[in-house]
Amino acid sequence: QKEVEQDPGPLSVPEGAIVSLNCTYSNSAFQYFMWYRQYSRKGPELLMYTYSSGNKEDGRFTAQVDKSSKYISLFIRDSQPSDSATYLCAMRNTGFQKLVFGTGTRLLVSP
Amino acid sequence: DADVTQTPRNRITKTGKRIMLECSQTKGHDRMYWYRQDPGLGLRLIYYSFDVKDINKGEISDGYSVSRQAQAKFSLSLESAIPNQTALYFCATSDGAGDTQYFGPGTRLTVL
Repeated sequence: QKEVEQDPGPLSVPEGAIVSLNCTYSNSAFQYFMWYRQYSRKGPELLMYTYSSGNKEDGRFTAQVDKSSKYISLFIRDSQPSDSATYLCAMRNTGFQKLVFGTGTRLLVSP
Repeated sequence: DADVTQTPRNRITKTGKRIMLECSQTKGHDRMYWYRQDPGLGLRLIYYSFDVKDINKGEISDGYSVSRQAQAKFSLSLESAIPNQTALYFCATSDGAGDTQYFGPGTRLTVL
């Protein structure tokens, strides 16, 4: 079993929809959670960062962490065609300097 | 100019050949990483370096070696390439705890 599980998609939605992307994990020691966005033929870039449990909002994006369920989510409101990309979750332990990445979910937003 | 550059961007080679992938960064970060990305497997860490004198194996280092020539340069070598090393390779840098990693554009390597 992988430490981090993520549905590969693709997830296809119409423009304006609310998108929910999710990851589950098995290591209860994970404390730092990230979402990276990767456009086609590009390297990933950090989109959202959350420490421990709770929500964090940045514009149309909300990251949510539920440590009791070992489940993290990224919500995208009013999705745009420019949001079409692969979204990778990543996480690590306190003091553990390496990130563990999910496999990524490919999102397609149609006009 | 890009902060993290990788050369070459694309490479096709044959089984048994030695290949070097190069990474340079202008962000002034001490930490550098090499990952490979495969469909269905995501990003997997090959090697990482927290400073010029520090080199560490990642989860899939077999068949690879690295050299940290300077703070700004980190090279990945495949001593004798094999077809299952066909993948997209990314270099990344970070400061601090390493949560914000800055990735290069990637090198698409095909081993025939």
